[in-house]
Amino acid sequence: QKEVEQNSRPLSVPEGAIASLNCTYSDRGSQSFFWYRQYSGKSPELIMSIYSNGDKEDGRFTAQLNKASQYVSLLIRDSQPSDSATYLCAGRDSGGYNKLIFGAGTRLAVHP
Amino acid sequence: DVKVTQSSRYLVKRTGEKVFLECVQDMDHENMFWYRQDPGLGLRLIYFSYDVKMKEKGDIPEGYSVSREKKERFSLILESASTNQTSMYLCASVGFPGTYEQYFGPGTRLTVT
Repeated sequence: QKEVEQNSRPLSVPEGAIASLNCTYSDRGSQSFFWYRQYSGKSPELIMSIYSNGDKEDGRFTAQLNKASQYVSLLIRDSQPSDSATYLCAGRDSGGYNKLIFGAGTRLAVHP
Repeated sequence: DVKVTQSSRYLVKRTGEKVFLECVQDMDHENMFWYRQDPGLGLRLIYFSYDVKMKEKGDIPEGYSVSREKKERFSLILESASTNQTSMYLCASVGFPGTYEQYFGPGTRLTVT
């Protein structure tokens, strides 16, 4: 069973801090990973894609991929209350058809 | 910008009704997906399509069928709605070839009474 696992415990950080979200995956053939942000009652919104080992930065967001450890993370610098949402990690299913395997999500709360 | 639209944001249907949920994308994408999302269960794949008239079952296809007669439109059909199909239904389309990025529509919150 291919899985993407995320910490189910909500994360709470103060405004201006760095929020660190992590996930691990079991599909060794997976090469592409994604982070989605989902506000309550809304649909997931793609915020980062990462395809190779290392870091990828986009504004306040940094995605990190370590294929050897099967580990993906998302760092949010200078966290804002508007970052409060559920963050979904997803990996491409190596079985094909461009399917993604989603984690259950981690809820982030940024308090003023 | 990738645009994925869904026919309704909110829908209330009665048990036993046949329900049609439509999804349209405007970018000539080949791959389209239907998910449902329930609290505590995350996103679950119902069906997907990789081309016109081509479809594959996902993880939870029971009680659903799909139709893709045109490339831009992917419909989810609940043959006989039941209360356990009350859920948020999300359609997604893969964006640019080779990126595997899925873009979601706004979702349809379906309530079956």
